[in-house]
Amino acid sequence: DVKVTQSSRYLVKRTGEKVFLECVQDMDHENMFWYRQDPGLGLRLIYFSYDVKMKEKGDIPEGYSVSREKKERFSLILESASTNQTSMYLCASSLSGTGGSPLHFGNGTRLTVT
Amino acid sequence: DAKTTQPNSMESNEEEPVHLPCNHSTISGTDYIHWYRQLPSQGPEYVIHGLTSNVNNRMASLAIAEDRKSSTLILHRATLRDAAVYYCSHSGSARQLTFGSGTQLTVLP
Repeated sequence: DVKVTQSSRYLVKRTGEKVFLECVQDMDHENMFWYRQDPGLGLRLIYFSYDVKMKEKGDIPEGYSVSREKKERFSLILESASTNQTSMYLCASSLSGTGGSPLHFGNGTRLTVT
Repeated sequence: DAKTTQPNSMESNEEEPVHLPCNHSTISGTDYIHWYRQLPSQGPEYVIHGLTSNVNNRMASLAIAEDRKSSTLILHRATLRDAAVYYCSHSGSARQLTFGSGTQLTVLP
């Protein structure tokens, strides 16, 4: 089975801090994704990557950046955390970018910015 | 973005079959239909996907209408562990899969 591991289940950070969320997948998947999940808003795509060092903006990239230096690892960076970035962050991977390639999610990181 | 319509909630009795419906109003010819579920405090879990034909796997069955405007996820014997939010979606690419509010399934003992 595909395993997507997010480094932290819970994080509490202060406003203005730089925050790193780490995600590792163990199935040699090409694509990796970062979403945030908020009540009533569903999952919203922040960034995705289709190859090492390649990235594309999703629907809500403002305030975030990403890094993919190795195929298995995809990091989400909050340059200067703000309270409106308090949310559940979900990492996912897929074998390819086609519609027939399902997403495999990690268990999420619940980030609170105070 | 994919536009899907699902009931907000459904109930089922344990060990009975459950049919979860989804309308795919914006589906195009090359879009795959996907179903995921999310248990409390966990990330979404892939359940099943298909293009045109009905699909079966160890978790569930997927029935796709001939015009592909609707699909039904079938859990053959619901267990308490199947209580979750179920999301349907459709897309021609993994990047474009979207997840709306889903259907909250309650399984009654």
